[in-house]
Amino acid sequence: EAQVTQNPRYLITVTGKKLTVTCSQNMNHEYMSWYRQDPGLGLRQIYYSMNVEVTDKGDVPEGYKVSRKEKRNFPLILESPSPNQTSLYFCASSLGRAGYSEAFFGQGTRLTVV
Amino acid sequence: TQLLEQSPQFLSIQEGENLTVYCNSSSVFSSLQWYRQEPGEGPVLLVTVVTGGEVKKLKRLTFQFGDARKDSSLHITAAQTGDTGLYLCAGAASNTGKLIFGQGTTLQVKP
Repeated sequence: EAQVTQNPRYLITVTGKKLTVTCSQNMNHEYMSWYRQDPGLGLRQIYYSMNVEVTDKGDVPEGYKVSRKEKRNFPLILESPSPNQTSLYFCASSLGRAGYSEAFFGQGTRLTVV
Repeated sequence: TQLLEQSPQFLSIQEGENLTVYCNSSSVFSSLQWYRQEPGEGPVLLVTVVTGGEVKKLKRLTFQFGDARKDSSLHITAAQTGDTGLYLCAGAASNTGKLIFGQGTTLQVKP
């Protein structure tokens, strides 16, 4: 089954404790992105990747890191989480460029930083 | 910074009514997409429009991309309870992987 898999689905952590949210897709898509979703703000793009070893900042990259060492995986790293990073996070992948191709989203990771 | 403003943010209607959701910007987008999201799930694509003035129909849903490619609308005819959800528009910035989302419209269709 074609899918984007994020883990974990739910995470509660403490301020400053490094964490990684994994994202994996099995559709051989070149494009992958991370978004955060907050009430009243819609989805905001954190980082995106157009291919292996090619990543770029979205609209809200501060406090986040990503890597794309292989095509299927695009982990999101929070080196020192803070409470303002409490949010619902989505990973997405698409065959072609964002906005032209269908983006397939994972089921989301709800992160709480206390 | 490119922004997409969606209106209304909340809409509660009776089954059978028609509705329109708007997505506006002062910037030009090379394409625009509409997604629908249900609680606990990621957004799912409804349509992509790329040509100014383009109109696409998906059963009871009609999507329009403005002539100047700065705005779009989603019209639902005879809404059903199954249409309940969060509707999001998203615009692509030219030649990049950036996708800008509107704030979303929460639609509730009551039986």
